[in-house]
Amino acid sequence: SQQGEEDPQALSIQEGENATMNCSYKTSINNLQWYRQNSGRGLVHLILIRSNEREKHSGRLRVTLDTSKKSSSLLITASRAADTASYFCATDEPYNFNKFYFGSGTKLNVKP
Amino acid sequence: GAGVSQSPSNKVTEKGKDVELRCDPISGHTALYWYRQSLGQGLEFLIYFQGNSAPDKSGLPSDRFSAERTGGSVSTLTIQRTQQEDSAVYLCASSLGQRSPFETQYFGPGTRLLVL
Repeated sequence: SQQGEEDPQALSIQEGENATMNCSYKTSINNLQWYRQNSGRGLVHLILIRSNEREKHSGRLRVTLDTSKKSSSLLITASRAADTASYFCATDEPYNFNKFYFGSGTKLNVKP
Repeated sequence: GAGVSQSPSNKVTEKGKDVELRCDPISGHTALYWYRQSLGQGLEFLIYFQGNSAPDKSGLPSDRFSAERTGGSVSTLTIQRTQQEDSAVYLCASSLGQRSPFETQYFGPGTRLLVL
């Protein structure tokens, strides 16, 4: 299956530290997206990176994509307690890009 | 509306009963998705509607699950003869549906279903 897998499953850091989460997938993609989920409720879109992009920034977020390794990483710099959430990567398929595959997520805990 | 809404927020039912979960997508969004998320797990794709096209039902886990989308807007996910393993959060999402690979999905808050 195309489903992405996040690593680590859980991450606990101190406020101010950087948090890095990784995502691996299995087949080629058009784009990869990262979403955030608070308290097991709805997901919020964070950032999208296209298959022809290698790095993208949005505020304190930095996403990299290595299509040769079929992997992506999400870096949150200068973390805050409010960043505590689960983070998911989502991938599509080249010819079925309206169908998204989500990984099992990384649960991030930022301690104040 | 301002965002995707779902109802009810929480539903407790007895094993064997039928349940209906509702999703109101963002106005103007022609694509609508249903996902299931079991406790501590990732999202499992269930079904996808795009405009007037036949839905992609490939993720429905059994014939007890069905979904409709009336008038290209509101969608209802129905689970018949519920089982305890159906307990999960059911998430709905919508997107513009422009068949672009770079669309963002907007999620509702979910319905937490508990089957006793």
